[in-house]
Amino acid sequence: QKEVEQDPGPLSVPEGAIVSLNCTYSNSAFQYFMWYRQYSRKGPELLMYTYSSGNKEDGRFTAQVDKSSKYISLFIRDSQPSDSATYLCAPNSGTYKYIFGTGTRLKVLA
Amino acid sequence: GAGVSQSPSNKVTEKGKDVELRCDPISGHTALYWYRQSLGQGLEFLIYFQGNSAPDKSGLPSDRFSAERTGGSVSTLTIQRTQQEDSAVYLCASSSLGGRTPYEQYFGPGTRLTVT
Repeated sequence: QKEVEQDPGPLSVPEGAIVSLNCTYSNSAFQYFMWYRQYSRKGPELLMYTYSSGNKEDGRFTAQVDKSSKYISLFIRDSQPSDSATYLCAPNSGTYKYIFGTGTRLKVLA
Repeated sequence: GAGVSQSPSNKVTEKGKDVELRCDPISGHTALYWYRQSLGQGLEFLIYFQGNSAPDKSGLPSDRFSAERTGGSVSTLTIQRTQQEDSAVYLCASSSLGGRTPYEQYFGPGTRLTVT
């Protein structure tokens, strides 16, 4: 079993839709849960992070962590064509070692 | 300020040749990482530097791969006798302990390596 599992997509949605992106993980030592966004031919950039369980909201984006089921989610409300990118989850135990999911490719259609 | 830069942005090489990929981290970042990204494979960790030392080289796939960092700054990833399976995007990231999360990593744009 991989440490982090993520559906690679692609996921195509119409503009304005609510998008749900998900990851599962196996290591209970993970405490920080990051979401990186990667545009085509660019490096990943940190979008949001959550510490431990719970929700965190930033504008149209909400990150959610359920440590009991080892499940991480990123919700995008009112999705825009500019949100079209690959989204990578990266749980971390507070060390230098990041374990990245394979990424989910999202396309938001105008 | 300036972000992480990598050069070249694209590299096409013939099988069996050696290649050098360069990374310039954000000034003052003590930690530096190399990753490899292949289609459908996510980011594969290669090596981690703290200063000029590499306490974790566990991700280097074979002895054809090596990396060094000098002056606590620039790093070079060298691939000797390249093989077609080495074709991928090589990403560099740097971090300091003062980020929003521990070891928050800032990525460069990557070097796209194609071995023909």
